[in-house]
Amino acid sequence: KAGVTQTPRYLIKTRGQQVTLSCSPISGHRSVSWYQQTPGQGLQFLFEYFSETQRNKGNFPGRFSGRQFSNSRSEMNVSTLELGDSALYLCASAFRLNTEAFFGQGTRLTVV
Amino acid sequence: KNQVEQSPQSLIILEGKNCTLQCNYTVSPFSNLRWYKQDTGRGPVSLTIMTFSENTKSNGRYTATLDADTKQSSLHITASQLSDSASYICVVMDGNNRLAFGKGNQVVVIP
Repeated sequence: KAGVTQTPRYLIKTRGQQVTLSCSPISGHRSVSWYQQTPGQGLQFLFEYFSETQRNKGNFPGRFSGRQFSNSRSEMNVSTLELGDSALYLCASAFRLNTEAFFGQGTRLTVV
Repeated sequence: KNQVEQSPQSLIILEGKNCTLQCNYTVSPFSNLRWYKQDTGRGPVSLTIMTFSENTKSNGRYTATLDADTKQSSLHITASQLSDSASYICVVMDGNNRLAFGKGNQVVVIP
């Protein structure tokens, strides 16, 4: 069974640009959540989707948005990138809300 | 504000030795507590999940304990191996399904 797949693995963008990250969950999983991880702040929750609806949201500015498609794949978008957005972005999938989550390997975003 | 504090921030241990990582939380109401292991450059992997009624849970050489009264959890690593070198993250879920994350314990096992 394939695990959670995140693409791309690495990304370099310049300030002011926007970026879209992709996450393919484990087959059969309908919940997808996104996290930002930085050395200073650790893991921080961005949002969670289930059945194409955002069910939970963390304390991030509106520049961070996401969506989930009918096949449970999810995308995360960050607009008007700032240097502080440089981080590892992790996606996790679960069978349903509040069940054990399995993480992907993450997308390492560097903003220059 | 829900908070999770982990200690020590980092530690170095000799291969074969045991170590214990601590997690203190102020999350309320409590739903469950999870320990994750994160190898460098990879996503976190779940080690244990414990609910209010569980005091101890093991996963191979990893044993987690939970004291819901004092709001403390520990992760004990027995007979450490080089592959145990990683960051160990404590995550607590509250009754409203919100997650609070610790910043991790960085463990380095040396031969």
